Amino acid sequence: GQNIDQPTEMTATEGAIVQINCTYQTSGFNGLFWYQQHAGEAPTFLSYNVLDGLEEKGRFSSFLSRSKGYSYLLLKELQMKDSASYLCAVRNSGNTPLVFGKGTRLSVIA
Amino acid sequence: GAVVSQHPSWVICKSGTSVKIECRSLDFQATTMFWYRQFPKQSLMLMATSNEGSKATYEQGVEKDKFLINHASLTLSTLTVTSAHPEDSSFYICSARGALGNTIYFGEGSWLTVV
Repeated sequence: GQNIDQPTEMTATEGAIVQINCTYQTSGFNGLFWYQQHAGEAPTFLSYNVLDGLEEKGRFSSFLSRSKGYSYLLLKELQMKDSASYLCAVRNSGNTPLVFGKGTRLSVIA
Repeated sequence: GAVVSQHPSWVICKSGTSVKIECRSLDFQATTMFWYRQFPKQSLMLMATSNEGSKATYEQGVEKDKFLINHASLTLSTLTVTSAHPEDSSFYICSARGALGNTIYFGEGSWLTVV
């Protein structure tokens, strides 16, 4: 079976750093995605990891450890507009759809 | 970068009628597109996988005769909700794999309200 776990909600302060964790159990792993979704809107792509290590893209970084079935999304210098849901999704081998976690609702407060 | 466009963004229809949602890949060919639905404060739920030139593959519990999927070209997939009921009111989102194969992009989503 497949299982993806991430915290349901998190709160962080403007200007701070927050780390959103994601653990997964899946077969035929072929990449892990992070998406940002604002209320009422479609998800937007943030990052893709298929090899172990850290991928940095501006204020956002994503880390993957395949042996541990673990990833995190790191958001630096938090801004109010970063308040959104963050979805962890895993792709298996072949042209298969993404399997999504339930998402983490991040609230950025002043 | 690759763009996936969905239309309409919002639609209201009467119970019993049908409504069609289009998903287009604008600058790449998508042999496979995926249709999701999302209820408020819930995650995306895969409905079906749309394959160009062949029948869609539906997830368990999704009625294929109610949610008709047509992927007639490499850039267009359509989802038709037939005989819509209020419980079909939801946010419907399509996605497609980008040309480089690594990134999966989403359409803007379509809000369906059945009254």
